[in-house]
Amino acid sequence: GAGVSQSPRYKVAKRGQDVALRCDPISGHVSLFWYQQALGQGPEFLTYFQNEAQLDKSGLPSDRFFAERPEGSVSTLKIQRTQQEDSAVYLCASSFRQVGETQYFGPGTRLLVL
Amino acid sequence: GDSVTQMEGPVTLSEEAFLTINCTYTATGYPSLFWYVQYPGEGLQLLLKATKADDKGSNKGFEATYRKETTSFHLEKGSVQVSDSAVYFCALKLFTDKLIFGTGTRLQVFP
Repeated sequence: GAGVSQSPRYKVAKRGQDVALRCDPISGHVSLFWYQQALGQGPEFLTYFQNEAQLDKSGLPSDRFFAERPEGSVSTLKIQRTQQEDSAVYLCASSFRQVGETQYFGPGTRLLVL
Repeated sequence: GDSVTQMEGPVTLSEEAFLTINCTYTATGYPSLFWYVQYPGEGLQLLLKATKADDKGSNKGFEATYRKETTSFHLEKGSVQVSDSAVYFCALKLFTDKLIFGTGTRLQVFP
């Protein structure tokens, strides 16, 4: 079956522009996670959904970052008024059940803000 | 706070050499521990995991043992191959499902 997919794979934005990053989790997966990976660093947690409910958004770095999963499947991470420090790879992961399951990662979206 | 510390890379080895990548953690409870691997141009993949003290995770010839007394989860492989060249991430998970990653260690294996 298909894995986690993300689009676009690459995005170049001018500073101040809004961007939207999409994640399609594995079909049937209840949990969905977003991580941010800066160059040369490990991924850092941004936010977590269980179905359509956003249960943890403690990792979102500012109120410019917003995530949604309205129907409990596809998720969108939106960054408003992008800044250069937002340049990173944004990773999406999904897992089957609520707790303790393996997280399967997508290939990521590489965002470059100029 | 909870964190993971990995040895810095790159680690450069010849094919068939023995590999160790060190990983230690700090956690307020008893975490589950993971090694993820990122091959060039690909997404993160789970390599192995251990959920309690003294558990040994293993996969594809790689092994790691959960050592509570030393708060460590070192990754080992007896004989590396060129195809093992990748970035390896150690990670922990506590009460919630979010993963806390180390900074990653790049492994380069030469023929």
